Amino acid sequence: DAGITQSPRHKVTETGTPVTLRCHQTENHRYMYWYRQDPGHGLRLIHYSYGVKDTDKGEVSDGYSVSRSKTEDFLLTLESATSSQTSVYFCAISSEGRRNEQYFGPGTRLTVT
Amino acid sequence: KNQVEQSPQSLIILEGKNCTLQCNYTVSPFSNLRWYKQDTGRGPVSLTIMTFSENTKSNGRYTATLDADTKQSSLHITASQLSDSASYICVVSEAGGFKTIFGAGTRLFVKA
Repeated sequence: DAGITQSPRHKVTETGTPVTLRCHQTENHRYMYWYRQDPGHGLRLIHYSYGVKDTDKGEVSDGYSVSRSKTEDFLLTLESATSSQTSVYFCAISSEGRRNEQYFGPGTRLTVT
Repeated sequence: KNQVEQSPQSLIILEGKNCTLQCNYTVSPFSNLRWYKQDTGRGPVSLTIMTFSENTKSNGRYTATLDADTKQSSLHITASQLSDSASYICVVSEAGGFKTIFGAGTRLFVKA
Protein backbone atom coordinates (compact mmCIF):
# COMPACT_ATOMS: atom_id res chain seq x y z
CA ASP A 1 0.00 0.00 0.00
CA ALA A 2 2.76 2.41 -1.07
CA GLY A 3 3.91 3.51 2.38
CA ILE A 4 0.49 4.60 3.60
CA THR A 5 -1.07 3.46 6.84
CA GLN A 6 -4.46 4.23 8.29
CA SER A 7 -5.59 3.94 11.87
CA PRO A 8 -7.73 2.57 13.22
CA ARG A 9 -8.59 -0.06 10.60
CA HIS A 10 -11.97 -0.72 12.15
CA LYS A 11 -14.07 1.36 14.50
CA VAL A 12 -17.56 1.20 15.92
CA THR A 13 -18.88 4.34 17.54
CA GLU A 14 -22.15 5.81 18.71
CA THR A 15 -24.15 8.57 17.09
CA GLY A 16 -23.11 12.00 18.31
CA THR A 17 -19.55 11.12 19.33
CA PRO A 18 -16.50 12.70 17.69
CA VAL A 19 -14.22 10.39 15.73
CA THR A 20 -10.73 10.99 14.32
CA LEU A 21 -9.14 8.86 11.62
CA ARG A 22 -5.44 9.08 10.92
CA CYS A 23 -3.53 8.72 7.69
CA HIS A 24 0.26 8.45 7.79
CA GLN A 25 2.58 8.36 4.77
CA THR A 26 6.28 7.72 4.41
CA GLU A 27 6.54 8.84 0.76
CA ASN A 28 6.85 12.59 1.39
CA HIS A 29 4.09 13.27 -1.15
CA ARG A 30 2.65 16.77 -1.21
CA TYR A 31 -1.01 15.88 -1.77
CA MET A 32 -3.18 13.84 0.58
CA TYR A 33 -6.86 12.98 0.23
CA TRP A 34 -9.70 11.49 2.22
CA TYR A 35 -12.39 9.55 0.38
CA ARG A 36 -15.40 7.57 1.44
CA GLN A 37 -16.60 4.47 -0.38
CA ASP A 38 -20.20 3.31 -0.19
CA PRO A 39 -21.99 0.49 -2.03
CA GLY A 40 -23.23 1.60 -5.44
CA HIS A 41 -21.14 4.76 -5.40
CA GLY A 42 -17.72 5.57 -6.65
CA LEU A 43 -15.14 6.88 -4.25
CA ARG A 44 -16.14 10.39 -3.22
CA LEU A 45 -13.71 13.05 -2.12
CA ILE A 46 -14.26 14.47 1.37
CA HIS A 47 -11.29 16.79 1.82
CA TYR A 48 -7.81 17.11 0.45
CA SER A 49 -4.54 18.76 1.36
CA TYR A 50 -1.97 20.34 -0.94
CA GLY A 51 0.60 21.04 1.75
CA VAL A 52 1.11 21.45 5.48
CA LYS A 53 -1.79 23.46 6.87
CA ASP A 54 -3.26 23.78 3.34
CA THR A 55 -6.56 21.98 2.96
CA ASP A 56 -9.73 22.31 0.93
CA LYS A 57 -13.18 20.77 0.69
CA GLY A 58 -14.19 17.98 -1.63
CA GLU A 59 -17.62 16.96 -2.87
CA VAL A 60 -18.97 15.54 0.39
CA SER A 61 -17.34 17.60 3.12
CA ASP A 62 -20.36 18.38 5.35
CA GLY A 63 -19.87 16.97 8.84
CA TYR A 64 -16.13 16.42 8.36
CA SER A 65 -13.03 18.45 9.14
CA VAL A 66 -9.36 17.79 8.48
CA SER A 67 -5.98 18.91 9.68
CA ARG A 68 -2.45 18.52 8.42
CA SER A 69 0.25 19.75 10.78
CA LYS A 70 3.02 17.61 9.28
CA THR A 71 3.73 16.41 5.75
CA GLU A 72 3.27 12.79 6.76
CA ASP A 73 0.00 13.00 8.70
CA PHE A 74 -3.51 13.88 7.57
CA LEU A 75 -6.34 13.63 10.09
CA LEU A 76 -10.04 13.32 9.33
CA THR A 77 -12.48 14.25 12.11
CA LEU A 78 -16.17 13.52 12.23
CA GLU A 79 -17.32 16.25 14.56
CA SER A 80 -20.50 14.46 15.65
CA ALA A 81 -20.86 11.08 13.99
CA THR A 82 -24.14 10.16 12.32
CA SER A 83 -25.35 6.85 10.91
CA SER A 84 -25.03 8.27 7.39
CA GLN A 85 -21.28 8.45 7.98
CA THR A 86 -21.04 4.67 8.28
CA SER A 87 -18.66 3.90 5.43
CA VAL A 88 -15.21 2.77 4.44
CA TYR A 89 -12.75 5.64 4.46
CA PHE A 90 -9.68 5.68 2.26
CA CYS A 91 -6.70 7.95 2.42
CA ALA A 92 -4.71 8.56 -0.75
CA ILE A 93 -1.53 10.41 -1.64
CA SER A 94 -0.02 11.82 -4.79
CA SER A 95 3.11 13.75 -5.64
CA GLU A 96 1.28 15.85 -8.23
CA GLY A 97 -2.34 16.97 -8.26
CA ARG A 98 -5.48 14.92 -8.18
CA ARG A 99 -5.37 14.29 -11.94
CA ASN A 100 -2.23 12.27 -11.46
CA GLU A 101 -1.43 8.90 -9.97
CA GLN A 102 -2.89 8.39 -6.52
CA TYR A 103 -1.82 5.71 -4.08
CA PHE A 104 -4.38 4.46 -1.62
CA GLY A 105 -4.16 3.28 1.95
CA PRO A 106 -5.81 0.08 3.22
CA GLY A 107 -8.98 1.80 4.42
CA THR A 108 -10.82 2.27 7.71
CA ARG A 109 -14.22 0.67 8.19
CA LEU A 110 -16.33 2.94 10.39
CA THR A 111 -19.69 1.91 11.79
CA VAL A 112 -21.86 4.50 13.54
CA THR A 113 -24.64 2.92 15.62
CA LYS B 1 -23.06 16.78 -15.17
CA ASN B 2 -19.76 14.92 -15.24
CA GLN B 3 -20.34 11.22 -14.86
CA VAL B 4 -18.53 7.91 -15.15
CA GLU B 5 -20.67 4.84 -15.80
CA GLN B 6 -19.31 1.32 -15.66
CA SER B 7 -20.80 -1.89 -16.95
CA PRO B 8 -21.57 -4.54 -16.10
CA GLN B 9 -22.05 -4.05 -12.36
CA SER B 10 -20.82 -7.58 -11.78
CA LEU B 11 -19.50 -10.43 -13.87
CA ILE B 12 -18.74 -14.10 -13.28
CA ILE B 13 -16.30 -15.91 -15.56
CA LEU B 14 -14.41 -19.18 -15.54
CA GLU B 15 -10.70 -19.26 -14.90
CA GLY B 16 -8.74 -19.01 -18.11
CA LYS B 17 -11.41 -17.07 -19.99
CA ASN B 18 -11.13 -13.51 -21.25
CA CYS B 19 -13.43 -10.66 -20.32
CA THR B 20 -13.99 -7.00 -21.13
CA LEU B 21 -15.23 -4.31 -18.78
CA GLN B 22 -16.71 -1.05 -20.04
CA CYS B 23 -16.48 2.55 -18.92
CA ASN B 24 -18.43 5.46 -20.45
CA TYR B 25 -17.86 9.00 -19.30
CA THR B 26 -19.12 12.50 -19.87
CA VAL B 27 -16.25 14.35 -18.18
CA SER B 28 -15.19 17.32 -20.28
CA PRO B 29 -12.67 18.65 -20.97
CA PHE B 30 -10.82 15.37 -20.65
CA SER B 31 -7.40 14.98 -19.04
CA ASN B 32 -6.83 11.30 -18.38
CA LEU B 33 -8.49 8.00 -17.61
CA ARG B 34 -7.23 5.45 -15.12
CA TRP B 35 -8.21 1.91 -14.28
CA TYR B 36 -7.75 0.65 -10.74
CA LYS B 37 -8.04 -2.84 -9.26
CA GLN B 38 -9.45 -3.13 -5.76
CA ASP B 39 -9.18 -6.40 -3.89
CA THR B 40 -11.72 -7.04 -1.15
CA GLY B 41 -10.77 -5.20 2.02
CA ARG B 42 -7.95 -3.24 0.41
CA GLY B 43 -7.39 0.10 -1.26
CA PRO B 44 -7.45 0.53 -5.06
CA VAL B 45 -4.22 -0.09 -6.97
CA SER B 46 -3.50 1.52 -10.33
CA LEU B 47 -3.45 -0.67 -13.44
CA THR B 48 -3.20 1.85 -16.30
CA ILE B 49 -3.41 5.55 -17.04
CA MET B 50 -4.17 6.99 -20.48
CA THR B 51 -4.17 10.53 -21.78
CA PHE B 52 -6.09 11.94 -24.73
CA SER B 53 -3.48 10.89 -27.28
CA GLU B 54 -3.23 7.28 -26.13
CA ASN B 55 -5.74 4.71 -27.31
CA THR B 56 -4.30 1.56 -25.75
CA LYS B 57 -2.15 0.70 -22.76
CA SER B 58 -1.16 -2.72 -21.43
CA ASN B 59 -0.08 -3.97 -18.04
CA GLY B 60 0.59 -7.68 -18.23
CA ARG B 61 -2.69 -9.47 -18.92
CA TYR B 62 -4.62 -6.19 -18.60
CA THR B 63 -5.16 -4.05 -21.70
CA ALA B 64 -7.05 -0.77 -21.56
CA THR B 65 -8.39 1.02 -24.60
CA LEU B 66 -9.64 4.57 -24.94
CA ASP B 67 -11.82 6.21 -27.58
CA ALA B 68 -11.83 9.88 -26.63
CA ASP B 69 -14.24 10.73 -29.46
CA THR B 70 -17.00 8.47 -28.14
CA LYS B 71 -15.87 8.90 -24.52
CA GLN B 72 -15.56 5.17 -23.96
CA SER B 73 -12.90 2.96 -22.43
CA SER B 74 -12.62 -0.76 -21.94
CA LEU B 75 -10.43 -2.99 -19.81
CA HIS B 76 -9.69 -6.38 -21.32
CA ILE B 77 -8.42 -9.18 -19.10
CA THR B 78 -6.76 -12.07 -20.88
CA ALA B 79 -6.55 -15.64 -19.54
CA SER B 80 -8.20 -14.76 -16.25
CA GLN B 81 -6.85 -16.08 -12.96
CA LEU B 82 -8.52 -16.57 -9.60
CA SER B 83 -6.50 -13.60 -8.32
CA ASP B 84 -8.26 -11.36 -10.83
CA SER B 85 -11.37 -11.55 -8.65
CA ALA B 86 -11.76 -7.94 -7.53
CA SER B 87 -13.53 -4.70 -8.28
CA TYR B 88 -12.27 -2.70 -11.23
CA ILE B 89 -12.73 1.05 -11.04
CA CYS B 90 -12.62 3.54 -13.91
CA VAL B 91 -11.51 7.07 -12.96
CA VAL B 92 -11.69 10.10 -15.25
CA SER B 93 -10.05 13.45 -14.58
CA GLU B 94 -10.98 16.84 -15.94
CA ALA B 95 -8.44 18.99 -17.72
CA GLY B 96 -7.76 22.42 -16.33
CA GLY B 97 -9.63 21.77 -13.14
CA PHE B 98 -9.46 19.62 -10.10
CA LYS B 99 -12.41 17.35 -10.72
CA THR B 100 -11.78 13.61 -10.76
CA ILE B 101 -14.75 11.27 -10.99
CA PHE B 102 -14.69 7.65 -9.85
CA GLY B 103 -17.00 5.07 -11.38
CA ALA B 104 -18.90 2.71 -9.08
CA GLY B 105 -16.83 -0.22 -10.33
CA THR B 106 -17.38 -3.64 -11.86
CA ARG B 107 -17.19 -6.59 -9.49
CA LEU B 108 -15.45 -9.52 -11.22
CA PHE B 109 -15.65 -13.06 -9.90
CA VAL B 110 -13.34 -15.66 -11.45
CA LYS B 111 -14.39 -19.23 -10.71
CA ALA B 112 -12.27 -22.37 -10.91
